Amino acid sequence: KAGVTQTPRYLIKTRGQQVTLSCSPISGHRSVSWYQQTPGQGLQFLFEYFSETQRNKGNFPGRFSGRQFSNSRSEMNVSTLELGDSALYLCASSQGPEADTQYFGPGTRLTVL
Amino acid sequence: DQQVKQNSPSLSVQEGRISILNCDYTNSMFDYFLWYKKYPAEGPTFLISISSIKDKNEDGRFTVFLNKSAKHLSLHIVPSQPGDSAVYFCAAKPSGGSYIPTFGRGTSLIVHP
Repeated sequence: KAGVTQTPRYLIKTRGQQVTLSCSPISGHRSVSWYQQTPGQGLQFLFEYFSETQRNKGNFPGRFSGRQFSNSRSEMNVSTLELGDSALYLCASSQGPEADTQYFGPGTRLTVL
Repeated sequence: DQQVKQNSPSLSVQEGRISILNCDYTNSMFDYFLWYKKYPAEGPTFLISISSIKDKNEDGRFTVFLNKSAKHLSLHIVPSQPGDSAVYFCAAKPSGGSYIPTFGRGTSLIVHP
């Protein structure tokens, strides 16, 4: 079974631009979560989607948004990029919101100049 | 306030010896715990988990111990191998439901040949 895939793997943007990241979960997994990882900060939860509905949201500004499609694929969008948004963005999938274990993709490394 | 703490940012161990990674939590609602391993430029990989109904779970060279009264868990790797060199994240959550795991900031393990 293929794992979680994320595209693109690397991205360079400038301040003020917007960016869209994509995540395809493991086949059969219907829950997708997004995390931001910065050096020394561990994994900070952004949001979780299940059945095209946002079920949980972390403590991030409204510039961060996401959505999930009927095939469980998910996208996250960051508008008006700031230097501090430079990070590794990780997507994780699980079978459903009741599942305890999430499986991560390789991440998208975003650099904001 | 960090609800999941990994107080050692780094750990250095000789090949063949035991590696012990520690994790403390403060939230009494947490009753499901996970360890993930992360190599550079890759997403975290699920390693092992433990439910609060157990105090030990073993998978090959990896054993997780849970001390509920102390709100402490540890991951033992025996024997340690150079390929185990990675960042290890501890995560905790209430089991079931739509609960998002809370992650520690990670411990970087280096296993010297």
